[in-house]
Formats: sequence, structure tokens, C-alpha cells
Amino acid sequence: EAGVTQSPTHLIKTRGQQATLRCSPISGHTSVYWYQQALGLGLQFLLWYDEGEERNRGNFPPRFSGRQFPNYSSELNVNALELEDSALYLCASSLRQGTDTQYFGPGTRLTVL
Amino acid sequence: AQTVTQSQPEMSVQEAETVTLSCTYDTSESNYYLFWYKQPPSRQMILVIRQEAYKQQNATENRFSVNFQKAAKSFSLKISDSQLGDTAMYFCAFMVPGTYKYIFGTGTRLKVLA
Repeated sequence: EAGVTQSPTHLIKTRGQQATLRCSPISGHTSVYWYQQALGLGLQFLLWYDEGEERNRGNFPPRFSGRQFPNYSSELNVNALELEDSALYLCASSLRQGTDTQYFGPGTRLTVL
Repeated sequence: AQTVTQSQPEMSVQEAETVTLSCTYDTSESNYYLFWYKQPPSRQMILVIRQEAYKQQNATENRFSVNFQKAAKSFSLKISDSQLGDTAMYFCAFMVPGTYKYIFGTGTRLKVLA
């Protein structure tokens, strides 16, 4: 069974640009979560999508947004990039009615210059 | 607000020895889940073990076991017979059922020495 996949592996942008990160959940999983792992800050919850809807949001500004598609894959968009947005962005998926255990992808390393 | 604290930023252990990683948390909830995740240098997070707060029995998964002390709000991970492949960052995480939001600690970097 394929795990959670993310693309691209690395992304380099400059300040003020927009970044789009993609995630495909495990087959059968309807919930997708996004986390930011900045150096020295641990993992911070960003967003949760389920059945195409945003269900929960962490303490991040509105320039962090996303969406979930009918096939349950998801995009994370970061607008007006700032230097401090440089981080590893992890996507996870879970069964909506399941065990609450989240399974993580390998992440996208975003570097903002 | 819930918080998770991992007070050991780095640890090392000799191969085949046993090591315990500490995790404490703060919550007013009575029902919740606790997790340990492992993030090897290849960076993909892997679930190590999970504990439901309503279960008194400590969870075990092969060489990995937890010591769950609900009253003390403590959830430590014991790794027995440490192997080189156990070298990784270990994160403790907390979740209230229905929120689907993990709260992570800052991690403990474990190095297993040959």
C-alpha cells in the first residue's frame, strides 16, 4: 500500500512569491493535515481538511491556505512568502472515522531567500 | 491549552542497551491519545506507539514500550536492545479525540552508538 506522498521534495522561492505544496493521502483516507516543522520549533499544526472542507486551523496567518480535492489530495498555498516561512512542511492523512492515528509523508523543504 | 514537553533535547545510548525518553503533558481533558513518532534522518515520520488515556495497561510494540502515568501526566518511551536504526528524532504527541489536531513536543534527538 502506498504511503502519503508529497511534491515537490524541495522548493526554493524568494520573498513575496507564492508557494504551492501538494499532498496525496493514503488510499482510503479522507482527512489530510498540514504541519510546519521549522528549525528549533518542532511541529506546528497548520490545517486539517476532510471531505473537501477545512475543519480546523492552527495559529497561522491567512496567507497560509489550502484546499482538498474530490480525490482527497490536497494543496497548501503560502502567499507573500517571508523568510521565516522556510521550513519542512509535512502532510499527514488519516481515516475520518478511524483511529485518529495520522500517517506522515516525507515532507517538502521550502526555502525562502 | 494543551502543551507537550520533552526535556531531553539530545540523548545517546550504546547499541543493545536500553534508553528511556521522557515526555510530560498538560491538559484538563480526561480522554485523549498519546503517541510517539520517530523521524529518522531520511525525515519521514513513522508512528512508533500509541496509548489511549482510558487504558491503564501500558502499550508495547516489540522493543518499544511506554510508561504511562496519567496522574503525573507523564508518557515516557523505553527502547530496549537499541539498534543503530533507532537513531532518529523522537516526538511525543497528544491529541484530544475529535479535534484531529496533534500537539507535538519539541523532540529528542537519539543517537545509538556502535
